[in-house]
Amino acid sequence: SQQGEEDPQALSIQEGENATMNCSYKTSINNLQWYRQNSGRGLVHLILIRSNEREKHSGRLRVTLDTSKKSSSLLITASRAADTASYFCAPGNMLTFGGGTRLMVKP
Amino acid sequence: EAGVAQSPRYKIIEKRQSVAFWCNPISGHATLYWYQQILGQGPKLLIQFQNNGVVDDSQLPKDRFSAERLKGVDSTLKIQPAKLEDSAVYLCASSLEPGAGAGTKNIQYFGAGTRLSVL
Repeated sequence: SQQGEEDPQALSIQEGENATMNCSYKTSINNLQWYRQNSGRGLVHLILIRSNEREKHSGRLRVTLDTSKKSSSLLITASRAADTASYFCAPGNMLTFGGGTRLMVKP
Repeated sequence: EAGVAQSPRYKIIEKRQSVAFWCNPISGHATLYWYQQILGQGPKLLIQFQNNGVVDDSQLPKDRFSAERLKGVDSTLKIQPAKLEDSAVYLCASSLEPGAGAGTKNIQYFGAGTRLSVL
């Protein structure tokens, strides 16, 4: 298994702004997933992108994947206070999570 | 469909005591995972079951932690005896298939977790 490393560790923005967080990993993967964790809750699956996809959208979420650079990014557009959470990437067989990005969206 | 159920939600014990957590995965999910999440960190996999067999327990502290998945459905995780450093949230997750392959069947669904405080 391999671990994704999220960057930055913490991000604070105003409501309505866009939030971008990045994920790097080390070995080849078939797919990469992003999860969200609200305080005191379990992780919730957000989106899965396959290795043959470069970009994927889901509502206000946009995920990119660059397999040559072994990196992915998650963009949340028009952020809301409810987006305040920790975000984790899960590359490949996703049995190991990094420390996540803690996003705070101020109203 | 019902989600992953975990109980209890909170548990406070003293060090050297024993504790057990219960998880009921989503119906039909063959794979079940237990994670330990220490405050401020990401979840760390403790053990993965495929039906009632263990796939990976390399990070399970076997001197004090044990887990079982009888009949390939519900699972229990036990700590005996507990240490202060075991204070964490214990998350259970399930998926249709093990975390391999390019499909969506390896998406994990998490329970709300059990918050353990060891005093």
